[in-house]
Amino acid sequence: KQEVTQIPAALSVPEGENLVLNCSFTDSAIYNLQWFRQDPGKGLTSLLLIQSSQREQTSGRLNASLDKSSGRSTLYIAASQPGDSATYLCAALTGGGNKLTFGTGTQLKVEL
Amino acid sequence: EAGVAQSPRYKIIEKRQSVAFWCNPISGHATLYWYQQILGQGPKLLIQFQNNGVVDDSQLPKDRFSAERLKGVDSTLKIQPAKLEDSAVYLCASSSVRGARTDTQYFGPGTRLTVL
Repeated sequence: KQEVTQIPAALSVPEGENLVLNCSFTDSAIYNLQWFRQDPGKGLTSLLLIQSSQREQTSGRLNASLDKSSGRSTLYIAASQPGDSATYLCAALTGGGNKLTFGTGTQLKVEL
Repeated sequence: EAGVAQSPRYKIIEKRQSVAFWCNPISGHATLYWYQQILGQGPKLLIQFQNNGVVDDSQLPKDRFSAERLKGVDSTLKIQPAKLEDSAVYLCASSSVRGARTDTQYFGPGTRLTVL
């Protein structure tokens, strides 16, 4: 059974700082690893999707890496802004039914 | 392109009552998912549809939860009777035509259920 863990559970940083969010998964037989953003009272927004054959994906100030062999992924946010404040969730896609298993999320607060 | 629509946005009920949630996926998306997100946890898949058929309902508490997707478009999720531990946000998501492993899931805003 796939288990996904995210560390830290919460993080507070000053504006402008670069930061790294961590995600680990127990079953390395994944099809892809996805990072989502969740704002209070809203659904999830997909940020980046890394296929199992890829090492990283970039979108603007966001860079996600994937190391299947060690069961780890990181989300790097450059030059953080208050608008980046949200909960960030990673999810691993496994199984014949394309099942997404989510971590518990990292709640990020970027302060002025 | 319109996103995934869900209603109602909020619902408060007494335990042992029944409740139903509605989801309208993105047009043309064949795969539809229902997730349960308990406060402080990540979403957990309850059921996945491919068109009208159920692909995965292994984590759906079938003694009280039911879901259907008529005509391969809209879907409803029902809880009967509700328990206190059903208090959560219920998220609906859809993915494109084949639901392939390269496809991103698009999420609706969710329905926040409070069971008193």
